Amino acid sequence: AQKITQTQPGMFVQEKEAVTLDCTYDTSDQSYGLFWYKQPSSGEMIFLIYQGSYDEQNATEGRYSLNFQKARKSANLVISASQLGDSAMYFCAMRDAYTGGFKTIFGAGTRLFVKA
Amino acid sequence: EAQVTQNPRYLITVTGKKLTVTCSQNMNHEYMSWYRQDPGLGLRQIYYSMNVEVTDKGDVPEGYKVSRKEKRNFPLILESPSPNQTSLYFCASSFGTGSYEQYFGPGTRLTVT
Repeated sequence: AQKITQTQPGMFVQEKEAVTLDCTYDTSDQSYGLFWYKQPSSGEMIFLIYQGSYDEQNATEGRYSLNFQKARKSANLVISASQLGDSAMYFCAMRDAYTGGFKTIFGAGTRLFVKA
Repeated sequence: EAQVTQNPRYLITVTGKKLTVTCSQNMNHEYMSWYRQDPGLGLRQIYYSMNVEVTDKGDVPEGYKVSRKEKRNFPLILESPSPNQTSLYFCASSFGTGSYEQYFGPGTRLTVT
């Protein structure tokens, strides 16, 4: 069965430093997509970055990059030069071809605290 | 402004009293979905819809109903709410599946006493 695991319930990072949020996934499909979303304390869900299983290069969006290691089934989010506004909950999510891409599963999330 | 709206934003109700949470999107998205968020569990998918009149169960559909009579609207219905349905609910939409990111509504915090 498809599964997303985020093993870090909470993390601290110093402002301006880089931080890696871990995500491992389990699927028997070859075709799938991985997403990261941010949830600030205000509650809204904000899309950050996407990685397709056939993408040869790691995805990047500004200060966000995705360290995609297909053989290890990991899709870690790297935030460079952390800012106070990065303090939030971060969710890793997956859609795969088994369900036609219709189902999305989320991990339990990692709460990131950025220290000044 | 492109958005997904949900109403109400907050709701406190009693066990067994039917309720509907509305969801509407103005982006002409074909795909819509409902999730519930509980501490330590992340978001879990309740139902999704691939297009008008086409819906299917997610991972936690028990106790919920949905309908998709119009492309823009996807209401979530709790026929007989119970305390274990106390949660934060999100509606989301996307242009399609696969690589398309989902746009989320602001959330509805439901408390069932």
